[in-house]
Amino acid sequence: GQSLEQPSEVTAVEGAIVQINCTYQTSGFYGLSWYQQHDGGAPTFLSYNGLDGLEETGRFSSFLSRSDSYGYLLLQELQMKDSASYFCAVCPLTGGFKTIFGAGTRLFVKA
Amino acid sequence: DTGVSQNPRHKITKRGQNVTFRCDPISEHNRLYWYRQTLGQGPEFLTYFQNEAQLEKSRLLSDRFSAERPKGSFSTLEIQRTEQGDSAMYLCASSLADSSTDTQYFGPGTRLTVL
Repeated sequence: GQSLEQPSEVTAVEGAIVQINCTYQTSGFYGLSWYQQHDGGAPTFLSYNGLDGLEETGRFSSFLSRSDSYGYLLLQELQMKDSASYFCAVCPLTGGFKTIFGAGTRLFVKA
Repeated sequence: DTGVSQNPRHKITKRGQNVTFRCDPISEHNRLYWYRQTLGQGPEFLTYFQNEAQLEKSRLLSDRFSAERPKGSFSTLEIQRTEQGDSAMYLCASSLADSSTDTQYFGPGTRLTVL
């Protein structure tokens, strides 16, 4: 089957750096995406890795290693507003553009 | 308004009733997705359209669920004979086919409560 594993919760302090990991089991996919969702809100796109390596977008960076079946989202200079759920997602090569999301990581940022 | 819109935002219905939800994607987007999300879980793929063609449907989706996108613009999701287990947030997303990242833009969702 195809699945993505993420830690259920992460807690960090304001100003710190936090890494949210995503490990996956899928035969092949187009790329690894990350979405943020605040309570009561819709998921919003953060980052995409089509190739192995690091992608940087402001305070957020994302990394992918296909050989290790692993990716992560790195959040720097944490702010209270970063408290949200973060989902990794893949679009498998087989199955059209069906997108599979992880169960999400709930990030709590403390003052 | 250039975002994805969904109507209604909330729906309360009794078990056994039929419900229909509407999604209006970003106008130039040709891909449209429907997802279901329950508390503490990620969005669960239901179905996907490219223009008006329904190209993928989850095997988890029972025959009570049907979706259409008649003119390649807005889409509807109908649930027949609703069950309490159908209570969830139903999310719609759209994207542009030639985007290198397939960034999906989500609507605010329709929260369904089946009594």
